[in-house]
Amino acid sequence: DVQMTQSPSTLSASVGDRVTITCRASRSISTWLAWYQQKPGRAPNLLIYKASSLESGAPSRFSGSGSGTEFTLTISSLQPDDFATYYCQQYDTYLSFGGGTKVEIK
Amino acid sequence: EVQLVESGGGLVKPGGSLRLSCATSGFTFSNAWMSWVRQAPGKGLEWVGRVKGKTDGATTDYAAPVKGRFTISRDDSKNTLFLQMNSLTTEDTAVYYCTKGVGIVNYFDYWGQGAPVTVSS
Repeated sequence: DVQMTQSPSTLSASVGDRVTITCRASRSISTWLAWYQQKPGRAPNLLIYKASSLESGAPSRFSGSGSGTEFTLTISSLQPDDFATYYCQQYDTYLSFGGGTKVEIK
Repeated sequence: EVQLVESGGGLVKPGGSLRLSCATSGFTFSNAWMSWVRQAPGKGLEWVGRVKGKTDGATTDYAAPVKGRFTISRDDSKNTLFLQMNSLTTEDTAVYYCTKGVGIVNYFDYWGQGAPVTVSS
């Protein structure tokens, strides 16, 4: 099994901040990684796939990078709508999710 | 417009069974790789299992915690996905999401609204 570890688990930030979330895989997954945003009571929403490809309709302030075992999701300028929980997901071998990063208002 | 609508959730006693359905529309269901993902209260996302599309043999794979207890199936004539859950325990309490995979890769571009399942005596 591939274990996915996200950090931090909680992040406090202000509108306009640049925010970076890290996801580490227990072994190399090439670029088979997706990022999702989830708001309370809602289903997750796909933001990034193949580590760095922006899903159609996702705001351009979201970007992803990385390969192998280390990946990052960056929000270039945090907007009020971005306060949510973010999950990474590997799809190299079956599927598994990271534990999530909650982005809170500072 | 792609739609995934789950039904069948509810309260069940430990040891009991429940069957979830996911009615879909707006895409070619028979070729789609479909998964179930669950989320326990206040917890993260957990993949439950998947069924491949018809052209890929419609075979199934399951996560270790549910293997042997849960069965995923599909009715391509009705564009519907199922999750049969047996021998339920309190650890299975969660919201269960039906998800559509992109091609034959396993990330999800569409999710249902979720079906809550509570296992309690």
